[in-house]
Amino acid sequence: EDQVTQSPEALRLQEGESSSLNCSYTVSGLRGLFWYRQDPGKGPEFLFTLYSAGEEKEKERLKATLTKKESFLHITAPKPEDSATYLCAVQAPVDSSASKIIFGSGTRLSIRP
Amino acid sequence: GAVVSQHPSWVICKSGTSVKIECRSLDFQATTMFWYRQFPKQSLMLMATSNEGSKATYEQGVEKDKFLINHASLTLSTLTVTSAHPEDSSFYICSASRGAFSTDTQYFGPGTRLTVL
Repeated sequence: EDQVTQSPEALRLQEGESSSLNCSYTVSGLRGLFWYRQDPGKGPEFLFTLYSAGEEKEKERLKATLTKKESFLHITAPKPEDSATYLCAVQAPVDSSASKIIFGSGTRLSIRP
Repeated sequence: GAVVSQHPSWVICKSGTSVKIECRSLDFQATTMFWYRQFPKQSLMLMATSNEGSKATYEQGVEKDKFLINHASLTLSTLTVTSAHPEDSSFYICSASRGAFSTDTQYFGPGTRLTVL
């Protein structure tokens, strides 16, 4: 069964304290892995798409990496405004012409000033 | 680019009424649109996928007669919650993708908070 698991469920960091969020997946034929940021009461905001193992993408203090089994979202020297829920999603094929997207349950990140 | 809007942002209605939520892609043509619902502190649950001009594909367990989806154009999709009941109260979020067959990145709207009294 296709699954996406994010850990930890919640993470509290001090401002400037770097860390990583994990997204592990078991799907047949990954078509893409997505990272989103979601603030309370708002829709997810797109951050990154990764397509193949070894790929890395960066945006400001965030860096996403991908292996064949998991993805990491590294956050370097975070600031309070980085506090949000970070969602991981994977896209897997249903058949030759369709795919499905599966979301993880998210990691709630809180950065203390 | 890739901005998606939803209207209304929140709605409160009485049990038994129908509620329509609009989802628009403002600066791109969305071949595929998706509707999700999200309960507090939970992740997104895909309800249905719609392609412009064709019937929506509903996920297992989602009542298609309850949640009517119309993808009238490449920039507009609507979700109508028919005869809403308190258990339908949730945060409904749409997303839009440029690509066909949901192979492209999804851009999300800001969500609609529905409360059914």
